[in-house]
Order: sequence, then C-alpha cells, then structure tokens
Amino acid sequence: DTGVSQDPRHKITKRGQNVTFRCDPISEHNRLYWYRQTLGQGPEFLTYFQNEAQLEKSRLLSDRFSAERPKGSFSTLEIQRTEQGDSAMYLCASSFNQQGRGSGEQYFGPGTRLTVT
Amino acid sequence: AQSVTQPDIHITVSEGASLELRCNYSYGATPYLFWYVQSPGQGLQLLLKYFSGDTLVQGIKGFEAEFKRSQSSFNLRKPSVHWSDAAEYFCAVALPPWMGNTPLVFGKGTRLSVIA
Repeated sequence: DTGVSQDPRHKITKRGQNVTFRCDPISEHNRLYWYRQTLGQGPEFLTYFQNEAQLEKSRLLSDRFSAERPKGSFSTLEIQRTEQGDSAMYLCASSFNQQGRGSGEQYFGPGTRLTVT
Repeated sequence: AQSVTQPDIHITVSEGASLELRCNYSYGATPYLFWYVQSPGQGLQLLLKYFSGDTLVQGIKGFEAEFKRSQSSFNLRKPSVHWSDAAEYFCAVALPPWMGNTPLVFGKGTRLSVIA
C-alpha cells in the first residue's frame, strides 16, 4: 500500500488555460474526495465519488470544474479557463465506506499546488 | 450548518512545554471527530480520531484528545512538545458511516510554532 498519490505536485499555468490533476487512491478504498485549500484556511470539500458515481458536489465547484472517476479507481479533476482565484492546493483523499463496515477515515495525498499567473 | 471552530490561529510554545489546541464543533448529531497535522507544503496526516467509547483517545506522535459532549469540544493535547511538532493542526468532523459518512468539515487550523 503506497498511500494516496497525486500528480503533478505543482502546476503553474496562465489565466485562461485548462489544467487537469490526477489522484490515485489507496487500492481497496471505494470513496474518493477532492478538497481545495487556500492559504491560511482549512481544506474545503469540492466533490466525492463512491466507486465511479459522483455522489455530491459542493457549491464551490463552478461549471468550470469537472471531476471523473471512470473505472472507480483513479480520478481526474479538470479546471477549464483558469482564473487567478483558482490558485490553491488541491487535495485528494480516499476512504473505505460501506454501510456497517469501514471507519470512513480519510487518507490524504500530498496535494497539487496550482498557481495561476 | 455544520461548523468547526478553532479559536487560536497561532500558538507559540517552548520545547518541552505542554500543549493544548482547542476545537469546538456545531453539528446535528455527535459526529466523528478527527485531528490532522499538516507540515509546510504537505498533505494532511491523521493524528487521531474519536468515534465512540472512551472519550480520551490516544494518537500518534504522543498526542491525545478528549471529547466533551457537554461542551461540543475535542481538544488536542501533548504533555511535552518537540521542535518537530511545529506545523498546522486541523480539527475536522464528519457524520459516521451509518449516517452517510459525509465529507470532512474542517476548522481553519491552528499554526503551532515551537521555540527553544
């Protein structure tokens, strides 16, 4: 078990460009979460999947953001037409959750730091 | 709405001194409670969690936390701080799995500085 991995670790892009981040969860985990963390703040929930189904999206997730988890394994988060306000750390977490089983503890990856210039 | 309050933005303690970081929550039910630590530029590492049972829970790195239902608090403590404990600490809550196991709601964090 190598833990949650994220790629890239850092991304610098110009305003208006599209970016895509990848998250590989812990292999036996069926839930995958995306959070965003800005400077001096705690992480804020964006969206999460159970297997390949996207179950919830935060109001923070504007229509420029899209997330997928096509085969219930890795996930991608795409931001279209980036804005300077999108600059943040994007964190991925995974957990095992099944009714009556699993503690639901979330394990976090190292994050992708996005800088929009 | 669910919320987590960490009243102290920044705390400075001397190495070897004791530490207490405060956390209060507002939730419709008794949630699952967590403390995470984040070193600069890193992701979050789970320190400890409270689900049920004994209200004093032990975690990694010598940390412990006490759940007090009457005060809606889950304060983190360490009897003797080491310089390597300097980091950002986040309290978080979520509904348990049988209630939907919601995403985590985090406090704004407390930055801990350790001086010699």
